[in-house]
Amino acid sequence: GAVVSQHPSWVICKSGTSVKIECRSLDFQATTMFWYRQFPKQSLMLMATSNEGSKATYEQGVEKDKFLINHASLTLSTLTVTSAHPEDSSFYICRLKWVFGYTFGSGTRLTVV
Amino acid sequence: ELKVEQNPLFLSMQEGKNYTIYCNYSTTSDRLYWYRQDPGKSLESLFVLLSNGAVKQEGRLMASLDTKARLSTLHITAAVHDLSATYFCAVDQGAQKLVFGQGTRLTINP
Repeated sequence: GAVVSQHPSWVICKSGTSVKIECRSLDFQATTMFWYRQFPKQSLMLMATSNEGSKATYEQGVEKDKFLINHASLTLSTLTVTSAHPEDSSFYICRLKWVFGYTFGSGTRLTVV
Repeated sequence: ELKVEQNPLFLSMQEGKNYTIYCNYSTTSDRLYWYRQDPGKSLESLFVLLSNGAVKQEGRLMASLDTKARLSTLHITAAVHDLSATYFCAVDQGAQKLVFGQGTRLTINP
């Protein structure tokens, strides 16, 4: 149980373009999803929390217009990095809450060139 | 604001030796997590500690929690190369949000 599919696992995009990252629960319903960012050799920082059908709650310092989060169903949340720049290059990881606890997605390595 | 500090941040040790990673946190919390991360990978859950005095063991790893001291330890016994990874502690600050320590990069040499 608690299988999470995060896609893509890695992506390279040009500066100024937008990238969508999907986090999907395959065998459970995720009531809450969290998005984290991890810069190379650093720790994880929470970006935002989303509940199904509600607007995401962003952490201080995270631009909500740049990092668009959509939690349209209990099995899918998406993070869109709009107008990406090289400083957005990072490892993005989702974390999902389910009835028995929490589980992380496999992560997405974003490189903006 | 909850702060979580790990030490050491880097640890190089020989196989067969024992060592401890420390995780201090600044405000009261009712749960603490330990994770392992391999390069380029996501986090693997190791332990969840829920109460004062909790001790959990899995193989060569043992974690403990002292909520009064706001301290958790991850002890490695008779280290083997396969345990080389980065280890994170994370503390629940409420509303299900985790605050992570800086991570301890562990290298175990033959």
